[in-house]
Order: sequence, then structure tokens, then C-alpha cells
Amino acid sequence: DAGVTQSPTHLIKTRGQHVTLRCSPISGHKSVSWYQQVLGQGPQFIFQYYEKEERGRGNFPDRFSARQFPNYSSELNVNALLLGDSALYLCASSPLDSQWTEAFFGQGTRLTVV
Amino acid sequence: DAKTTQPPSMDCAEGRAANLPCNHSTISGNEYVYWYRQIHSQGPQYIIHGLKNNETNEMASLIITEDRKSSTLILPHATLRDTAVYYCIVRVVGGAAGNKLTFGGGTRVLVKP
Repeated sequence: DAGVTQSPTHLIKTRGQHVTLRCSPISGHKSVSWYQQVLGQGPQFIFQYYEKEERGRGNFPDRFSARQFPNYSSELNVNALLLGDSALYLCASSPLDSQWTEAFFGQGTRLTVV
Repeated sequence: DAKTTQPPSMDCAEGRAANLPCNHSTISGNEYVYWYRQIHSQGPQYIIHGLKNNETNEMASLIITEDRKSSTLILPHATLRDTAVYYCIVRVVGGAAGNKLTFGGGTRVLVKP
């Protein structure tokens, strides 16, 4: 079975642009979470979606948004990119809402803002 | 979520046991202790979790003190592939607070030949 897949793996954007990152969870998993990992730090929670509804939001500005589709895949959108948005963006999937005991992470999308 | 404190780095010898400490002195009664690791340029990988009893799986053992204020992750026979950043996390399972993992800085473990 395929694990969590994220696309693209790398991308470079210019300040002020918009970016969309994509995540496909493990088959059968209904929960998708997004994390931002700045170089040298641990991942920071951005959003969690379960059954297409937002179930949690971290301390990120409104420039960050996400959604989950009927097939449980998810998109993370970031508007008006800043240099500080350069990071590894990780997606994690789990079968349940908050009752899960293990979250499975993808390999991440490395975003560079220049 | 309770905060955790880990040493920033540690070395261990290949083939020897690696003991990774974690302090979580403010842990609540319903919070579990989780360990994840992140090998360079990959996503975090679940290792093990526990509430108050010691736990063992094919990857590692987790020893939680009786007062639950600290724990130790044990890699029984470290290999070069165990070189990674190891994160100790406390988390409630269920409820609104259970929908995320709160990562700290972790411990950077270097396994040397």
C-alpha cells in the first residue's frame, strides 16, 4: 500500500505569489493534518481536517488555508508568500479524528520563497 | 499540551544501546508519551507511545517513571540507520486537544561506527 504522498516535492516561489500543496492520505484514512517545519526546528501544527471539516488550527495567519476533498485528499494554500514561509511542509494522515494513536507522515514539500 | 525537555544532541556507538531521556514534569494524567524520529530529509516516523506502563515494540522500548514526569526511549542495538532527530511528545488521545502533535526541538542522535 502506498503511504502518504505529497506533491510537488520541491518548488520555488517569489515573494507575494500564491502556492498550493497537495497531499493524498493512506487509503482508508479520513484525517489529514498539515505541519510547517522551518530549518533547524521541529514541525509546527497548521491544520487538521477530518471528513472534510476543519477540526484544528494552529497559530498561523489567515494567509494559510486548507481544504479536504471527498476522496480525503487535501490541499494547503498559502497566499502572499513571505520569505519566512520557506520551509518543509509535511502532511500526516490517520484513520480517525483525534482518537488516533499513530499519525503517518509524508516526505514533505520543500518550499523556497525568494 | 505539556512541554518536554530533551538534550539537544547525543552520540552513541553502533551496536550499543542508545538511551534517550525526556523530561515532561507537567504531564497530565490523560496525556500519553509519544516518540517520533525524523531521518534527514524525510517525514517524522512513529516509534512508540505509552501512558504509564513500559512498552516495547520491534523498534524500541519506552520506560516511563512511576511519577510519569520523565521517560527514556531505548534503542537496543543502535545502527547507523538510527541516526536521526528524536522527538519526545506528550499528547491527549481524543478531544479537541488530541488532533495534533506538538513537537519540540528533539535530540539529534548520531550513531558512530
